[in-house]
Amino acid sequence: GAVVSQHPSRVICKSGTSVKIECRSLDFQATTMFWYRQFPKKSLMLMATSNEGSKATYEQGVEKDKFLINHASLTLSTLTVTSAHPEDSSFYICSAFLTGNNEQFFGPGTRLTVL
Amino acid sequence: QKEVEQDPGPLSVPEGAIVSLNCTYSNSAFQYFMWYRQYSRKGPELLMYTYSSGNKEDGRFTAQVDKSSKYISLFIRDSQPSDSATYLCAMSVGAAGNKLTFGGGTRVLVKP
Repeated sequence: GAVVSQHPSRVICKSGTSVKIECRSLDFQATTMFWYRQFPKKSLMLMATSNEGSKATYEQGVEKDKFLINHASLTLSTLTVTSAHPEDSSFYICSAFLTGNNEQFFGPGTRLTVL
Repeated sequence: QKEVEQDPGPLSVPEGAIVSLNCTYSNSAFQYFMWYRQYSRKGPELLMYTYSSGNKEDGRFTAQVDKSSKYISLFIRDSQPSDSATYLCAMSVGAAGNKLTFGGGTRVLVKP
């Protein structure tokens, strides 16, 4: 149990386009999901905390208008990278918090490449 | 100074050896300490979860937390080639449902 999926697993887009990444908790409901960014050989940096039915909380330095987060249901959160640029190329990972286990379960990640 | 420091490695050990990993941190408010394993191009997987100071053992894995020194460790006994991965420490002020602060990760290579 406690599986988190992400879609797509890999995406390549042109500079200036927008890309949507989905994060789903497959077998549990998650009122809280998190979005992280990971550069090669670097650690995960929290971008924002997504709460179902309310606005996301962004970490300092993360542009909320560029990284749009929507947590529309208890099993789905989406991250949209708007007007993507090459410097947005990275590995984006989401996690979903399972209250009963007091644990965050991570998705497999989405590799974004902006040309 | 980063909040959580972790040697990036790589740490290369022969199969069967003990792998010793550690992290130091600066925020004394951290109460929850976790170790994750991450294979290349995959999401992190929780290995150990410890609250406050003390030791915790789970199979081949032992986690230690010394809050007085702001130092945590993970030991892997009887290491296997399948243990080759990047190991990330993470910590939070509140429970695991709150913001996690990660170390940079240590890459481990267990050679057959």
